[in-house]
Amino acid sequence: SQKIEQNSEALNIQEGKTATLTCNYTNYSPAYLQWYRQDPGRGPVFLLLIRENEKEKRKERLKVTFDTTLKQSLFHITASQPADSATYLCALEAGANNLFFGTGTRLTVIP
Amino acid sequence: NAGVTQTPKFRVLKTGQSMTLLCAQDMNHEYMYWYRQDPGMGLRLIHYSVGEGTTAKGEVPDGYNVSRLKKQNFLLGLESAAPSQTSVYFCASSSGFMEQFFGPGTRLTVL
Repeated sequence: SQKIEQNSEALNIQEGKTATLTCNYTNYSPAYLQWYRQDPGRGPVFLLLIRENEKEKRKERLKVTFDTTLKQSLFHITASQPADSATYLCALEAGANNLFFGTGTRLTVIP
Repeated sequence: NAGVTQTPKFRVLKTGQSMTLLCAQDMNHEYMYWYRQDPGMGLRLIHYSVGEGTTAKGEVPDGYNVSRLKKQNFLLGLESAAPSQTSVYFCASSSGFMEQFFGPGTRLTVL
């Protein structure tokens, strides 16, 4: 069965720096990968989708890369702000329009 | 648009009791999903539906039943609640091969 690992449970960075979150997966070749943001007590909110034939996707201060050889996705937040503090979830396409979610990385941006 | 709504927001059950969680979406989405989220486990798919009148099992379906009698509603039932079903339950919907839209969650405690 597929397995997803997100680099760490928690990541602390200084305001203004770039946050880099890692998502590694095994035993699968997803057609696409998604990233979600989840704030405490709320449901996840979609951020970005990247397909297997795309190397990189950008949206404002967010950038996602997808390396199907390494079976890895990197999620970057540039010029990070305290408001970016949240848990970020990686999700793989798992067939039949389903997603398989990682456990998430809790990001804290320190002012 | 309200998006995805869930009823109730909180519930406490005793072991053996039954209950139904209601999910409603107003985006005319074909796909609907029920997940549970537990600390350290991430989001796990319980059941899903690819259209009105259809349901299918996800990763952790045991102890749950679902129904999709109307396109906009997806019900999750617990026939005989167990303490292991204490969790936060999220409903989501999607138009297919795209991002999922999540509800605010239901926090269920089984004593």
